[in-house]
Amino acid sequence: QVFLVESGGGVVQPGRSLRLSCAASGFTFSRYAMNWVRQAPGKGLDWVAAVSSDGSSEFYTDSVKGRFSISRDNSENTLYLHMNSLRGDDTAVYYCVRDGGIAPSRSDYWGQGTLVTVSS
Amino acid sequence: DIQMTQSPSTLSASVGDRVTITCRASQEISSWLAWYQQKPGKAPKLLLYEAFRLQNGVPSRFSGSGSGTEFTLTISSLQPDDFGTYYCQKYNRYPLTFGGGTTVEI
Repeated sequence: QVFLVESGGGVVQPGRSLRLSCAASGFTFSRYAMNWVRQAPGKGLDWVAAVSSDGSSEFYTDSVKGRFSISRDNSENTLYLHMNSLRGDDTAVYYCVRDGGIAPSRSDYWGQGTLVTVSS
Repeated sequence: DIQMTQSPSTLSASVGDRVTITCRASQEISSWLAWYQQKPGKAPKLLLYEAFRLQNGVPSRFSGSGSGTEFTLTISSLQPDDFGTYYCQKYNRYPLTFGGGTTVEI
């Protein structure tokens, strides 16, 4: 059974940094592209970033380019999101999401999410 | 970037009703479209992909159609468990983009 467990969320001041982690289990992590998708309180879904299965390619939504960095450690089955220069509009639940096929693809498994609150 | 527009934003229906949600892409995306259901406080759940393929374990009352720029999600006979918010997502290329969501009230 596929499990994706996010951690690292919390309250952070504007301009500061935070690193999210996602521990994956139940599948061969190194074979799948992975994504981060976020959802601001009471709002819709917003794709944030993707990384290829081997970590060699990264993709970002415009609003986080230059501030966020997605990475992975296939030896540890872990996905990361490094977030710098955080702003109030980055406040959201961040979901770790698996690509279900050849990337880009549908998002077939989701973690439970971790809440990031950017506030002074 | 391609924009995804869903309609309606909210709908109220009764158990047993046939429900249809529409998703329009601002540019051609072939059949690279997925549908998700989200319940309050929970992560989204994949229902359909490639516009019409049913994800394993999803009831057959859910179906999808369309290609190009216009797509529909149909629930043939609405059940009490089908309340929630439904999102379409295009995945032909990055950036992946979701529609704004349709909230189904029973």
